Amino acid sequence: DQQVKQNSPSLSVQEGRISILNCDYTNSMFDYFLWYKKYPAEGPTFLISISSIKDKNEDGRFTVFLNKSAKHLSLHIVPSQPGDSAVYFCAAGTNAGKSTFGDGTTLTVKP
Amino acid sequence: DAGVTQSPTHLIKTRGQQVTLRCSPKSGHDTVSWYQQALGQGPQFIFQYYEEEERQRGNFPDRFSGHQFPNYSSELNVNALLLGDSALYLCASSPPSGSYSYEQYFGPGTRLTVT
Repeated sequence: DQQVKQNSPSLSVQEGRISILNCDYTNSMFDYFLWYKKYPAEGPTFLISISSIKDKNEDGRFTVFLNKSAKHLSLHIVPSQPGDSAVYFCAAGTNAGKSTFGDGTTLTVKP
Repeated sequence: DAGVTQSPTHLIKTRGQQVTLRCSPKSGHDTVSWYQQALGQGPQFIFQYYEEEERQRGNFPDRFSGHQFPNYSSELNVNALLLGDSALYLCASSPPSGSYSYEQYFGPGTRLTVT
């Protein structure tokens, strides 16, 4: 039973447009959510997080939205840049410190 | 400031053998977690070490064991290797934040191939 799901394996957008990556979860005990970015031959890099008590968190071009009733979160990147091309992982956890990851979405931003 | 480092980078082992992977956390971090990432999947939590003790464990058999040293570095040991253990093994460290930390800093991983 996969508790964190990223249903789109890949996403392609044009440079300058918005990228929207989606993530669904099933465990209502999760109290924090994170997005990581991963380039080939590197480990995942933390991007942005959100606590379950909030519904939005913004950091520059990156915004994460949380809809607890739908158990859904999304990452918006505006404007998208070619350097954003990478695999994006959604992760969730409880205050016990263990993170559960989705299987990732490969984002390609075309110049 | 060095980030999380892991060794070796790549490793090839035979079924039934044992392997030890090593991790040095980011400076100032005291919590180390290990993840297994199979091809095309997200990282799967193996266990987490804090104050030299296993604090949390994922759904992995006892063949997977670990250790944390007083300098916060850590080892992951896998006994009786199976073909299915072939994967990228990621180490992640977290800064002191009360007892628990959310954001993790990952190393580049060790690619283990079991033949």
